[in-house]
Amino acid sequence: AQSVSQHNHHVILSEAASLELGCNYSYGGTVNLFWYVQYPGQHLQLLLKYFSGDPLVKGIKGFEAEFIKSKFSFNLRKPSVQWSDTAEYFCAVKPTGRRALTFGSGTRLQVQP
Amino acid sequence: DVKVTQSSRYLVKRTGEKVFLECVQDMDHENMFWYRQDPGLGLRLIYFSYDVKMKEKGDIPEGYSVSREKKERFSLILESASTNQTSMYLCASSSAGGSTDTQYFGPGTRLTVL
Repeated sequence: AQSVSQHNHHVILSEAASLELGCNYSYGGTVNLFWYVQYPGQHLQLLLKYFSGDPLVKGIKGFEAEFIKSKFSFNLRKPSVQWSDTAEYFCAVKPTGRRALTFGSGTRLQVQP
Repeated sequence: DVKVTQSSRYLVKRTGEKVFLECVQDMDHENMFWYRQDPGLGLRLIYFSYDVKMKEKGDIPEGYSVSREKKERFSLILESASTNQTSMYLCASSSAGGSTDTQYFGPGTRLTVL
């Protein structure tokens, strides 16, 4: 069965530290890839997405992600985190031609001032 | 701006009650989805609908049913609520495909079953 793995369940960083959150998926065909973020008390919202083309994708708030097809990975990065980045981050995969997303279990990021 | 609204933010029900969760989207999206969100498990798909009166089971449909009588509205029904259905329920919608195929989420309904 298709699955999405987020190995970091809880990450604690100080402000200005660099961030990398891992995401690996098991589906072998063509996929669309997403990172969503859920700030405390807020809606789940899209950070960035990859459909095709340049494997380095830039999103909102200074986030970026790199799709490495050979590693089935789509890791999220930010060079310098802020306290306001404290949130839960979800990776999601959608095989081409399917309608539904499969989500990872999420990574809770806590940024300390 | 896409808007997905859910009828309640918080709901408390008793075991055995029939529960209706309503979701409305204003962007004429073909696809609508119901997920439940539990700590450490992420979001799991319950059901989705790709057109009026059309539905497909997701990964965890047991104990749930859905209804889509109008394009903008998608209802999740718990026929007989149980305590293990205490969770956060998220509704989402998306257009039919292509580069705009992004799911937009509602604020969620936190359901407690006593």
